[in-house]
Amino acid sequence: AQTVTQSQPEMSVQEAETVTLSCTYDTSENNYYLFWYKQPPSRQMILVIRQEAYKQQNATENRFSVNFQKAAKSFSLKISDSQLGDTAMYFCAFMNNAGNMLTFGGGTRLMVKP
Amino acid sequence: DGGITQSPKYLFRKEGQNVTLSCEQNLNHDAMYWYRQDPGQGLRLIYYSQIVNDFQKGDIAEGYSVSREKKESFPLTVTSAQKNPTAFYLCASSIGRRLHKYNEQFFGPGTRLTVL
Repeated sequence: AQTVTQSQPEMSVQEAETVTLSCTYDTSENNYYLFWYKQPPSRQMILVIRQEAYKQQNATENRFSVNFQKAAKSFSLKISDSQLGDTAMYFCAFMNNAGNMLTFGGGTRLMVKP
Repeated sequence: DGGITQSPKYLFRKEGQNVTLSCEQNLNHDAMYWYRQDPGQGLRLIYYSQIVNDFQKGDIAEGYSVSREKKESFPLTVTSAQKNPTAFYLCASSIGRRLHKYNEQFFGPGTRLTVL
């Protein structure tokens, strides 16, 4: 079974600064998919960014980018130019190659301070 | 306006009663999922269905039951056998792996269940 670990329960960052959220996972599969989801106070889960393990290039979506280190089984999320609206819980998630199971980490609560 | 709806947003039940949570999607997605979220924790998979009339247990299926009679609907019943049912329940759907390799999941707004 896969496991996903987010070692930072809470983090804070000043508005306009950059912050990196950590995620590690454990799997024996060679191909898989990784995701970061954002859950604001409304509790709606929103997909932030995704990455396929076969792709060497790190994914980017506007101010969000990842640092994917396959050998280290690490998938960190970098948020640049942090905005107040980025305040939320962030969850790292692993999807197996069969595409039928999504395993979530415990989450990191991010507070962006004005 | 496509999306996933869950109703009701808040639900209160007495201990020992079964309760059914609704999940409907009009995205024409093949796969649907139910997750449970406890305070300050991540999501845990209860059940999932990849096609109509078929479903599989997730990591914490005990005390729950589901049905998938229609493509757009995947109701979850929390039975009296569930020891600690108070939680936030999220439904999700995805297009299905055969149609898209990422098969990313889209989530509904959730139902907060409180058992008194």
